[in-house]
Amino acid sequence: AIQLTQSPSSLSASVGDRVTVTCRASQGISSALAWYQQKPGKAPKLLIYDASSLESGVPSRFSGSGSGTDFTLTISSLQPEDFAVYYCQQFNSLPFTFGPGTKLDI
Amino acid sequence: EVQLVESGGGLVQPGGSLRLSCAASGFTVSSNYMTWVRQAPGKGLEWVSIIYSGSTFYADSVKGRFTISRDNSKNTLYLQMNSLRVEETAVYYCASASNPGAEYLQHWGQGTLVTVSS
Repeated sequence: AIQLTQSPSSLSASVGDRVTVTCRASQGISSALAWYQQKPGKAPKLLIYDASSLESGVPSRFSGSGSGTDFTLTISSLQPEDFAVYYCQQFNSLPFTFGPGTKLDI
Repeated sequence: EVQLVESGGGLVQPGGSLRLSCAASGFTVSSNYMTWVRQAPGKGLEWVSIIYSGSTFYADSVKGRFTISRDNSKNTLYLQMNSLRVEETAVYYCASASNPGAEYLQHWGQGTLVTVSS
């Protein structure tokens, strides 16, 4: 199975900061990667798919990039509602594994 | 509007069985890949299973014990879970995408809690 690692595992930031989260795959996955945001007690929410495509309705301050093994999720200017846990997931080969998550807090 | 509603969770003893349901509205389960994902308390997301038009796949940890299926007439997805283990205590989510053939997870249910304990 393809392993995904995320860094950092946790991150403290402030409103207005630019934040980058990294996801690394144990082998090449082309652009078959998605990013999700999860808030406490809620289901995950899709932010980015195919590594860099913004899901409809998601603010443009979120962006994704990368291909192969290295991917990034960037939030250009943090808003109060962005404090959450972020997960990457690969769709290149089964099982469709998730990364361990990055907790973003104040 | 797409909506997924899970049900069937609850308390079950180790070694027991449970069947989860996921009722869909706003799209057709037979036309989309449907997925189960679980999350143990305080832990990350774990992919469990997916059903395509003619095939099913499972995480190694559940292979041979869990069965994913769907009833197109009821527009409902199922997860039959047998030989449950304590460590499988988790919130179980069903998820899918609106675009047929898409494997990323646009739509999620609210989740149903499965507690495996004696």
